[in-house]
Amino acid sequence: GAVVSQHPSRVICKSGTSVKIECRSLDFQATTMFWYRQFPKQSLMLMATSNEGSKATYEQGVEKDKFLINHASLTLSTLTVTSAHPEDSSFYICSARDFGDSLLGTEAFFGQGTRLTVV
Amino acid sequence: GIQVEQSPPDLILQEGANSTLRCNFSDSVNNLQWFHQNPWGQLINLFYIPSGTKQNGRLSATTVATERYSLLYISSSQTTDSGVYFCAAPVVVNTPLVFGKGTRLSVIA
Repeated sequence: GAVVSQHPSRVICKSGTSVKIECRSLDFQATTMFWYRQFPKQSLMLMATSNEGSKATYEQGVEKDKFLINHASLTLSTLTVTSAHPEDSSFYICSARDFGDSLLGTEAFFGQGTRLTVV
Repeated sequence: GIQVEQSPPDLILQEGANSTLRCNFSDSVNNLQWFHQNPWGQLINLFYIPSGTKQNGRLSATTVATERYSLLYISSSQTTDSGVYFCAAPVVVNTPLVFGKGTRLSVIA
């Protein structure tokens, strides 16, 4: 299957600082990537859809000025958590699909996730 | 939007036992997926199964799209099967996946 790589896997930062998380599609091009957040013992919740060359689309309740998304190339999307606070501590996971030549539904693959702890 | 419900929410099995996990969805889906989330948080793709039945070793899955449900079968469970199992489907083909709340499986020796 397609490989999605996410970095870093774990980060601890001080309150008020910013953290950047990278998501790369290693063996395919992804015009669209998705960012999810998962709190302990809960399911994955979609935060935003990252679109190559255009603005991200954020889900209701997600602050776009706090969670900056940049999709500058067909293989890289970044999520920057700005002015992080302890309540931003969570598990962040990115996802992408390898559409290839298919116009039909395709399988989604996920990065390893980033565990963010804000102290 | 689509609603995805999983049952049971928690399951404890003795090693070697079989189990069936269920996923119901509120609307027609095109590309349902099953995942296993390991203790480190990594989502492992188990099945991409819009319809029909697939098998991979001790795991198999069946999706009956017309009746809006999917089943994941685990046979001869092992302690390494422990973790959370999620099913997920998009609202519209190739849009983001909507996840169920998961089934937390514990396999004890």
